[in-house]
Amino acid sequence: EVQLVESGGGLVQSGGSLRLSCAASGFTFSSYWMTWVRQAPGKGLEWVANIKQDGSEKYYVDSVKGRFTFSRDNAKNSLYLQMNSLRAEDTAVYYCARLGDYAQFDYWGQGALVTVSS
Amino acid sequence: QSALTQPASVSGSPGQSITISCTGASSDVGGYNYVSWYQQHPGKAPKLMIYEVSNRPSGVSNRFSGSKSGNTASLTISGLQAEDEADYYCSSYTSTSTYVVFGGGTKLTVL
Repeated sequence: EVQLVESGGGLVQSGGSLRLSCAASGFTFSSYWMTWVRQAPGKGLEWVANIKQDGSEKYYVDSVKGRFTFSRDNAKNSLYLQMNSLRAEDTAVYYCARLGDYAQFDYWGQGALVTVSS
Repeated sequence: QSALTQPASVSGSPGQSITISCTGASSDVGGYNYVSWYQQHPGKAPKLMIYEVSNRPSGVSNRFSGSKSGNTASLTISGLQAEDEADYYCSSYTSTSTYVVFGGGTKLTVL
């Protein structure tokens, strides 16, 4: 059974940093692109970042470029999202998800809430 | 403002069929067959229901179907059931700098 479990969410002041983790199991982690998608309270979904199987390619939504860093450790079946210079508009539930061959997010974690206070 | 346009809400009675539209542009929905649909119950993570316009993942009921015409994709749910009440989001690959764009979501109410 595919499982994705996020951790590391919490309350942080504007301008601060936070690191999210996502532990994967139930599939060959190193064979898949992975992604982060976020959802602000009461709002819709927003794609945040993708990372290639070996971590050699990463893509980010414009609003987080230069502030967020997506990485992975295939030996530990884990993903990391380092978030710096956080802003109030980054407040959201952050989901890690597995990326399929047709730009679909086929498995999702339960989400980690990040709250940025101003 | 979301890149893809969905109706804010739709409703139907048990047993009926409903269709949710998702309108984009030639740079996303119209240009690629990489349209997906997600179901999200309150407080839960989204669940993939349709990918590549009309394909259902294993385990998803055949009451859910997808289609596309031009810049508009559609999700149809037939034989509505109480458990179908949820928010539904469409997404599409896009040729812009944003990899995937989402619709704003549609709240389905089963009357």
